Amino acid sequence: AQKITQTQPGMFVQEKEAVTLDCTYDTSDQSYGLFWYKQPSSGEMIFLIYQGSYDEQNATEGRYSLNFQKARKSANLVISASQLGDSAMYFCAMREGRYQAGTALIFGKGTTLSVSS
Amino acid sequence: DAGVIQSPRHEVTEMGQEVTLRCKPISGHDYLFWYRQTMMRGLELLIYFNNNVPIDDSGMPEDRFSAKMPNASFSTLKIQPSEPRDSAVYFCASGRGPYNEQFFGPGTRLTVL
Repeated sequence: AQKITQTQPGMFVQEKEAVTLDCTYDTSDQSYGLFWYKQPSSGEMIFLIYQGSYDEQNATEGRYSLNFQKARKSANLVISASQLGDSAMYFCAMREGRYQAGTALIFGKGTTLSVSS
Repeated sequence: DAGVIQSPRHEVTEMGQEVTLRCKPISGHDYLFWYRQTMMRGLELLIYFNNNVPIDDSGMPEDRFSAKMPNASFSTLKIQPSEPRDSAVYFCASGRGPYNEQFFGPGTRLTVL
């Protein structure tokens, strides 16, 4: 079974609108971390936001927020006021607590976001 | 502060040749990761180091792949001999401490003909 599932291969949004990118995860660990990365067409991987499994509040970083629903095992990324520069591939990733500390990330397949004017 | 540095950015080689990818992590980071990205398999971990010691190499596809980290500021990923199916983008990432975000380098796009 996939550890990280991103069901939306592509999303389209207009400038200034908000968009939600879905991510569900599968783990039996109590301690884990969830990450979102952005990969523009240039190819680099840019860290956006992090949510720890014990964090009581949803993480926010500027226009990015993470809608963390632990019971549903979902960690959706919300981008408010979309900009043309937000067009990119977005990856959800998880670090599981059962590995040695400092674990690698398990990535989803990604969602391509296209922002139009 | 400079980010993660990878070289070369692009590599084209012929099947059977040895390929060496290089990475300089961010200073002060004690974890270093090598990932591979392909269209078919997405982003996958190959190997990671903690304080220069390999911790998990279960993602290394086969014996043709090897990785070293001789010191805190340098790591290499070597493929010998290379095969066309090794064509991918190889990312190096580093992080400080066990739970923090990982910062990725720009990647090396490898094409094996």
